Amino acid sequence: GAGVSQSPSNKVTEKGKDVELRCDPISGHTALYWYRQRLGQGLEFLIYFQGNSAPDKSGLPSDRFSAERTGESVSTLTIQRTQQEDSAVYLCASSLGAGQPQHFGDGTRLSIL
Amino acid sequence: RKEVEQDPGPFNVPEGATVAFNCTYSNSASQSFFWYRQDCRKEPKLLMSVYSSGNEDGRFTAQLNRASQYISLLIRDSKLSDSATYLCVVKGNQGGKLIFGQGTELSVKP
Repeated sequence: GAGVSQSPSNKVTEKGKDVELRCDPISGHTALYWYRQRLGQGLEFLIYFQGNSAPDKSGLPSDRFSAERTGESVSTLTIQRTQQEDSAVYLCASSLGAGQPQHFGDGTRLSIL
Repeated sequence: RKEVEQDPGPFNVPEGATVAFNCTYSNSASQSFFWYRQDCRKEPKLLMSVYSSGNEDGRFTAQLNRASQYISLLIRDSKLSDSATYLCVVKGNQGGKLIFGQGTELSVKP
């Protein structure tokens, strides 16, 4: 498709399990961003990729969170030993370059039991 | 203090009303400002950028006051389809990350 694609759309898992969230950006977009949105809150920035490098990881809330990007395309956000406070919608956005308009995916709704 | 602050609302208005949302930001060095719209359980979508001179797009007018670090959005002749959450957004200084306010919920009633 032409837009940002995220999978899975919904994920329910038990506390303590690891989860992987995937983002397929728009083809040709060099910049990729991960955000988190808790219920009733605005989006919180997590990490930014330019190409395969992450010059800004300042929003990752703890060392349980990590992300990578390969082939200047797909990105994976991994959360280890999930906690209930990790429950949120995780949104990915991509743009042609840093500072260009960002296009968001539909998000992954993560629920930790 | 949050970097971007908005009144969460909700704002309940009748069709045809004019409604205004306000937002303040804490980083005086911020350069780029936006309003995004987010429908229930959907991703945010860019509504409009905000320019220093103020800008208008149809029924929507955005204004920026750098001295007061204040951004506004005015919606005229509101429609039922305007019901959504409106997010005030400031671009961070590094790498283009976006800093979002909590959002203001608008409900337009018949």
